[in-house]
Amino acid sequence: EAQVTQNPRYLITVTGKKLTVTCSQNMNHEYMSWYRQDPGLGLRQIYYSMNVEVTDKGDVPEGYKVSRKEKRNFPLILESPSPNQTSLYFCASSLGQGQYEQYFGPGTRLTVT
Amino acid sequence: KNQVEQSPQSLIILEGKNCTLQCNYTVSPFSNLRWYKQDTGRGPVSLTIMTFSENTKSNGRYTATLDADTKQSSLHITASQLSDSASYICVVSAPDYKLSFGAGTTVTVRA
Repeated sequence: EAQVTQNPRYLITVTGKKLTVTCSQNMNHEYMSWYRQDPGLGLRQIYYSMNVEVTDKGDVPEGYKVSRKEKRNFPLILESPSPNQTSLYFCASSLGQGQYEQYFGPGTRLTVT
Repeated sequence: KNQVEQSPQSLIILEGKNCTLQCNYTVSPFSNLRWYKQDTGRGPVSLTIMTFSENTKSNGRYTATLDADTKQSSLHITASQLSDSASYICVVSAPDYKLSFGAGTTVTVRA
């Protein structure tokens, strides 16, 4: 089944404790992206990747890091999480940018205390 | 200021009734406009994608319209079902492929 998977689905952590949220897709998509979703604000792009070893900042990259060492994986790293990073995170992938359909993962609900 | 505004913020309809959701955008020029459905606790799922030259596109009981002159789009849900209860998100893509997301309209369908 074609899908985007994320792990973990739920995470509660404390301020300053490094964490990684994994994202994997099995559709051989070149483009992958991370979003955060907060009430009333809609989805906001954190980082995106056009292909292996090619990443770029989205609208809200501060406090986040990403890497794209393999085509299928695009982990999101929070080196020192803070309470304002409490949010619902989505990974997405598509064949490319433009009018290609984006496929979203199931989401990761992160709480930083 | 968000470049994609959706209205209403939420609405409640009875099963079997129709409803229309609105999306106004300021992104200009734009490449395409998308509507997504997001069930509670799930990731968004694409309903329609329209380029600037398309006026309407359907996906089952969902019909999206686009007026590029007035920069407005609507999503019409026909004969609503309980499974239509979800958030509906309008997304506009600029020619540089940057996506602007609306905050969404939450639809609740009651039996």
